[in-house]
Amino acid sequence: QKEVEQNSGPLSVPEGAIASLNCTYSDRGSQSFFWYRQYSGKSPELIMSIYSNGDKEDGRFTAQLNKASQYVSLLIRDSQPSDSATYLCAVKAGGTSYGKLTFGQGTILTVHP
Amino acid sequence: ETGVTQTPRHLVMGMTNKKSLKCEQHLGHNAMYWYKQSAKKPLELMFVYNFKEQTENNSVPSRFSPECPNSSHLFLHLHTLQPEDSALYLCASSQERGPGLQYFGPGTRLTVT
Repeated sequence: QKEVEQNSGPLSVPEGAIASLNCTYSDRGSQSFFWYRQYSGKSPELIMSIYSNGDKEDGRFTAQLNKASQYVSLLIRDSQPSDSATYLCAVKAGGTSYGKLTFGQGTILTVHP
Repeated sequence: ETGVTQTPRHLVMGMTNKKSLKCEQHLGHNAMYWYKQSAKKPLELMFVYNFKEQTENNSVPSRFSPECPNSSHLFLHLHTLQPEDSALYLCASSQERGPGLQYFGPGTRLTVT
């Protein structure tokens, strides 16, 4: 059973639309949740972190966390072609004494003009 | 230098060669990680170091040998690699305690011929 699961996509949205990316996790004690963006051939770049239930907004990005349902999502408003990338969901499990993260397999997002 | 740096950025080596990858973090972190990312596959955690001590080895073949002389530097020594070891090797760092924010270096693109 995968610990962090994402729909691998590809998810295709038109420019200007809202892209919605979802992630579920299996460890109910998980504490911290992250979204990374990875362009082809590049390293992952941290774009959002969320630690408590609810929404967290940063510019065009909104992360949503629901610990009861064990899912975390990322909304990208006014999607741009430059948002086309693979988005990785990462979770820090509860009880770990260091910053080890478990990553999902990533969702490929394509924003077409 | 800022953030996490990795050298070399690209490496081509034969199966009988010995080479080393270097990672340096300038963030004051005390945990460092090696990941492998093969084409169209999710991130694979290879090794974890906390305060220079190896705390995790995810069944990595012995042809990969990590070294962490201090909290700022991490090496991955390579010898007698196989073509299937060709991948993007990523280094990351984080605080040993805390929410688990990991920052990645740019990666080394390794090709084994």
